[in-house]
Amino acid sequence: DQQVKQNSPSLSVQEGRISILNCDYTNSMFDYFLWYKKYPAEGPTFLISISSIKDKNEDGRFTVFLNKSAKHLSLHIVPSQPGDSAVYFCAAIRLGNQFYFGTGTSLTVIP
Amino acid sequence: DTGVSQDPRHKITKRGQNVTFRCDPISEHNRLYWYRQTLGQGPEFLTYFQNEAQLEKSRLLSDRFSAERPKGSFSTLEIQRTEQGDSAMYLCASSLLAGATYNEQFFGPGTRLTVL
Repeated sequence: DQQVKQNSPSLSVQEGRISILNCDYTNSMFDYFLWYKKYPAEGPTFLISISSIKDKNEDGRFTVFLNKSAKHLSLHIVPSQPGDSAVYFCAAIRLGNQFYFGTGTSLTVIP
Repeated sequence: DTGVSQDPRHKITKRGQNVTFRCDPISEHNRLYWYRQTLGQGPEFLTYFQNEAQLEKSRLLSDRFSAERPKGSFSTLEIQRTEQGDSAMYLCASSLLAGATYNEQFFGPGTRLTVL
């Protein structure tokens, strides 16, 4: 049962433009949502998170938006840079429980 | 401490053999997680420990899989009688549980298992 879904396996964006990565979830009990970035041959690294009681969290070029009524979150990267090219996973957690990961979206930022 | 480490990074084995992977978490972290990732999928939860206690196991963890964290520090994941379907990246992550707050997980580089 896939509780966290990323329906776009890949995304290509021109350098300097905005990248928008989307994620949908099914469990309304999740407390936190996170985005991880993964380069080849490395483990995922934490990027940004958002509590379920908020609708926006911003950290530099990265902003995560949460729409609880739609059970949808998105990650905006602006401006996109070639070094942002990686696979991005969204994840969700109920406090004290396991993380649930999406299937990932491969972002390519074209110079 | 430079982060979570895993050994080996790659393992090729023949079907039916046993394999064991090791994970060394960040030293002060009390929680340790094992995940499996196959091509085109996100990490799938297998099991986690709080200190030396194994608190949860996924139904993905068949009887051939066993994990230990004997002293609450490093952990091992053993797969007995490997099958070709076990071929995957096995990821370890650790975190610091502080009260009932959210705890970020730090991942190791993974062990890629290939079963021939």
